[in-house]
Amino acid sequence: TQLLEQSPQFLSIQEGENLTVYCNSSSVFSSLQWYRQEPGEGPVLLVTVVTGGEVKKLKRLTFQFGDARKDSSLHITAAQPGDTGLYLCAGARTNAGKSTFGDGTTLTVKP
Amino acid sequence: GAGVSQTPSNKVTEKGKYVELRCDPISGHTALYWYRQSLGQGPEFLIYFQGTGAADDSGLPNDRFFAVRPEGSVSTLKIQRTERGDSAVYLCASSVGTSGSNEQFFGPGTRLTVL
Repeated sequence: TQLLEQSPQFLSIQEGENLTVYCNSSSVFSSLQWYRQEPGEGPVLLVTVVTGGEVKKLKRLTFQFGDARKDSSLHITAAQPGDTGLYLCAGARTNAGKSTFGDGTTLTVKP
Repeated sequence: GAGVSQTPSNKVTEKGKYVELRCDPISGHTALYWYRQSLGQGPEFLIYFQGTGAADDSGLPNDRFFAVRPEGSVSTLKIQRTERGDSAVYLCASSVGTSGSNEQFFGPGTRLTVL
């Protein structure tokens, strides 16, 4: 059973475009993390959201946690080729313990 | 400071052999996690340590898989009688533990290939 559904699975856009990727679940999480992973490397943590309705901004990236803490979105403004990678969301039910990952969105930004 | 390190970076073995994968967590992190990632998928949870003890091993696929963390720092994932289906990238992560928000920091992974 896939508890976290990410969409779209693949996204290919031109440099300068905006995009949003989604992470949805029927389960409530105490926190949700977004990671970016490049080929041959481990996931790199981008942000953690813990409060329902929370919005966090990291330069051109905006992360939102749903009011019910079941879903999240990542919006990238003016995408650059350096944003290319696999974007993973992961939900945790407690302050420590396993995280459940989605299968990711593979983003390609063409120059 | 130093991040999570994993050795070896690549391991090729034959079906039926025994392998050990090592993880050095971030200093001071009490929680350590092992995940397995297959091509095109997100990481799949295997086991979680809090200190020296395995707090949750519900993700280990069968009794061929075992992990230890005897001194609460370095951990070793052990796989007996390897099968071709065990081929994957094995990721280790650490976090501060129960006082944090479960932010997990990952190592680069060990790519295991079973021939």
